[in-house]
Amino acid sequence: EIVLTQSPAILSLSPGERATLSCRASQSIITYLAWYQQKPGQAPRLLIFDAANRATGIPARFSGSGSGTDFTLTISSLEPEDFAVYYCQERSNWPRLTFGGGTKVEIK
Amino acid sequence: QLHLQESGPGLVKPSETLSLTCTVSGGAVSISGYYWAWIRQPPGKGLEWIGSIYYSGTVYYKESLRSRVTISVDTSKNNFALRLTSVTAADTAVYFCARINGYSSEWGRGTLVTVSS
Repeated sequence: EIVLTQSPAILSLSPGERATLSCRASQSIITYLAWYQQKPGQAPRLLIFDAANRATGIPARFSGSGSGTDFTLTISSLEPEDFAVYYCQERSNWPRLTFGGGTKVEIK
Repeated sequence: QLHLQESGPGLVKPSETLSLTCTVSGGAVSISGYYWAWIRQPPGKGLEWIGSIYYSGTVYYKESLRSRVTISVDTSKNNFALRLTSVTAADTAVYFCARINGYSSEWGRGTLVTVSS
């Protein structure tokens, strides 16, 4: 079973700053990785799929990169609505899914 | 636009069975190429995939839950269901249903199920 490790657990930043979130897989998942944003009381929202493709309606300040075992979600300039929890998810063994433990982006 | 809605009891006693239904509107569960999934989230914790089912009935479960979980689909009612037996406090969570084709772009709002006597 693939394990996804996200870091850091908490990222404290100010609006306008750049956020860099990491997701590491225990073995290669090629580019079979997605990123989700979750706000309190809401379902997760798909941001990025297949490592680097923005989902419909996602602003260009969100970008994803990586392949193999190391992946990054970058938010180029944090907006107030971006403070949330972010999860990565892999689909190499679809329809079985695995999620990472999450990174909370909080206001500094 | 696809809409998913979870329904079922919000409180279940320890050792009993948790039963939830996800009703799909704005689209058919019998659509090819998509699976339907249950995912849960304990309070304050991360997301855990429980299982996925295809409209044909092909189903996959998380190994650690396999002995207690059953997911079924009803194409005539356009819904799918989750049963989890012998629940404990560790099964307290928000339960989400979702449509997936590798990733989940459509989710229900989630329903909190508390296991308590």
